[in-house]
Amino acid sequence: AQSVTQPDIHITVSEGASLELRCNYSYGATPYLFWYVQSPGQGLQLLLKYFSGDTLVQGIKGFEAEFKRSQSSFNLRKPSVHWSDAAEYFCAVVISGGYNKLIFGAGTRLAVHP
Amino acid sequence: DTAVSQTPKYLVTQMGNDKSIKCEQNLGHDTMYWYKQDSKKFLKIMFSYNNKELIINETVPNRFSPKSPDKAHLNLHINSLELGDSAVYFCASSQVGRENPPLHFGNGTRLTVT
Repeated sequence: AQSVTQPDIHITVSEGASLELRCNYSYGATPYLFWYVQSPGQGLQLLLKYFSGDTLVQGIKGFEAEFKRSQSSFNLRKPSVHWSDAAEYFCAVVISGGYNKLIFGAGTRLAVHP
Repeated sequence: DTAVSQTPKYLVTQMGNDKSIKCEQNLGHDTMYWYKQDSKKFLKIMFSYNNKELIINETVPNRFSPKSPDKAHLNLHINSLELGDSAVYFCASSQVGRENPPLHFGNGTRLTVT
């Protein structure tokens, strides 16, 4: 069955430090992959998406993610974290069927130290 | 203008009651969704409608009944509420197609069943 794993439940980084959030997927065909961010008390916001082509995708707020088929991974990165990046981050994959049935990972909570 | 708005923001009710959550999107999207986020932040799709037609119906108790009077609205009615229904419910919208994931989420309705 299709699944998404985010191995890190909670990550803490210092402001200005680099960030990498891990995401692994289990899906037979070429996946459609996404990263979302959820700020406290808010809905989800799409950061970036990957369908095909260049395996390094750029998103909003200075985030990028790299698709590595050999590792079944789609890790999210940011070179310099800002305090406002503290939030919950979700990786997701769309499974086949023609409709947008997103399967979400369990999320990674990011805390940023000043 | 808010893209996806859902009401109420908070809903506290007793077991056995019937309640509704309303959702409206002003983006002209064809597809709308209901997601449930549990206390551990795990997100799971419940329903999806495309142009008022039900296209995704996950394993959800039949106490939950979505209704889409038009493609801009998707309401969620819950009968005979149970303690386990306590969660945050998110409405979302997108255009149809696997490359179009839920782009806009509402800010959620926190349902507490006592």
